[in-house]
Amino acid sequence: DAGVIQSPRHEVTEMGQEVTLRCKPISGHNSLFWYRQTMMRGLELLIYFNNNVPIDDSGMPEDRFSAKMPNASFSTLKIQPSEPRDSAVYFCASSTQGVGQPQHFGDGTRLSIL
Amino acid sequence: AQSVTQLDSQVPVFEEAPVELRCNYSSSVSVYLFWYVQYPNQGLQLLLKYLSGSTLVKGINGFEAEFNKSQTSFHLRKPSVHISDTAEYFCAVSESGGYQKVTFGTGTKLQVIP
Repeated sequence: DAGVIQSPRHEVTEMGQEVTLRCKPISGHNSLFWYRQTMMRGLELLIYFNNNVPIDDSGMPEDRFSAKMPNASFSTLKIQPSEPRDSAVYFCASSTQGVGQPQHFGDGTRLSIL
Repeated sequence: AQSVTQLDSQVPVFEEAPVELRCNYSSSVSVYLFWYVQYPNQGLQLLLKYLSGSTLVKGINGFEAEFNKSQTSFHLRKPSVHISDTAEYFCAVSESGGYQKVTFGTGTKLQVIP
């Protein structure tokens, strides 16, 4: 079975540019999570969707960040405009359980903002 | 709000020796507890979880953990480690019941020495 698929794996862009990260969850999973991992702050939950509906977006840093889940098989995380402090590894995860626990993570997108 | 502490940032251990990775949590209510493993350049994988019932939880790859409510601990153990166990291990906690955000520890890097 295919796992959680994220694209791109690496992204390098200049400050001020728009960045879009993509995620395809495991088929049949009804919960989707976006996390950010940095050395300083560890692993932080950005947003959690259940059945394509955002349930918890309290971790979204600011208005520059937005996330959508138009259907059960696709989600995007967008940063506009990007800043150097957004540099991190962004993970998407999915789960069959609607209780906030991620089961399967993608391999992440390593984002560098210059 | 709950929190989790992983006191050891790095644990070196010789191959075939036993290992214990420590995790302590803080919460005023009932909790769910989790251990995840992250191999280099990959996302996290769920090793095991405690939701209720038996306090000794067995997971994948020969790992097990014991929930100790009086000590507020959930230490991860393996009787004999392999080189392939070299990775970073994250303890995580959430409050029990319904949707509750999972809070991750800062991670422990396990280095298995040949």
